[in-house]
Amino acid sequence: GESVGLHLPTLSVQEGDNSIINCAYSNSASDYFIWYKQESGKGPQFIIDIRSNMDKRQGQRVTVLLNKTVKHLSLQIAATQPGDSAVYFCAAGAYNQGGKLIFGQGTELSVKP
Amino acid sequence: EPEVTQTPSHQVTQMGQEVILRCVPISNHLYFYWYRQILGQKVEFLVSFYNNEISEKSEIFDDQFSVERPDGSNFTLKIRSTKLEDSAMYFCASRKSSYNEQFFGPGTRLTVL
Repeated sequence: GESVGLHLPTLSVQEGDNSIINCAYSNSASDYFIWYKQESGKGPQFIIDIRSNMDKRQGQRVTVLLNKTVKHLSLQIAATQPGDSAVYFCAAGAYNQGGKLIFGQGTELSVKP
Repeated sequence: EPEVTQTPSHQVTQMGQEVILRCVPISNHLYFYWYRQILGQKVEFLVSFYNNEISEKSEIFDDQFSVERPDGSNFTLKIRSTKLEDSAMYFCASRKSSYNEQFFGPGTRLTVL
């Protein structure tokens, strides 16, 4: 079946360093991918998305890279701040599936001051 | 900024009881979703709803589950006879169109005793 997975369950970085969170997916029919941030006790918060016809997209301090050849995407956070500490999920969706998102396991990012 | 709201924030119930989880999606959104997240695990898709009918449902969404949009603002998830394994965070999400991002609510924590 479809799956979306992350390579590491936890990531600890120093404040100011760059963070890279990785994700692998199985369904080559996925049309778009989304990174969500989830803080304790809250719902997933949209960070950035990328469509399958792109290989890179940049936002404010974040960059998502998509490698369809190996079905891998990553989230890069520049100059990581303590407020970035959270669990990060990647999710995949397809336009012909009514918006259903398949989520990965999540990586917990801890930022040390 | 408009947001998805959910009530209650925490629901405790006895096994076998019926529960109704309530959501108020963003007002001009047309697509509605329920997801759940068992403690420490990834977010799982339950059901999508569009044009007053279910678009897609997962294997989790069996006959014990139902959804309803009783009026122009609320979107509910009913579990007829709760089981211990239904204990989880339940997230409602909505989006404006099939090309827009999904916005998640803060979740309802359901505890089945």
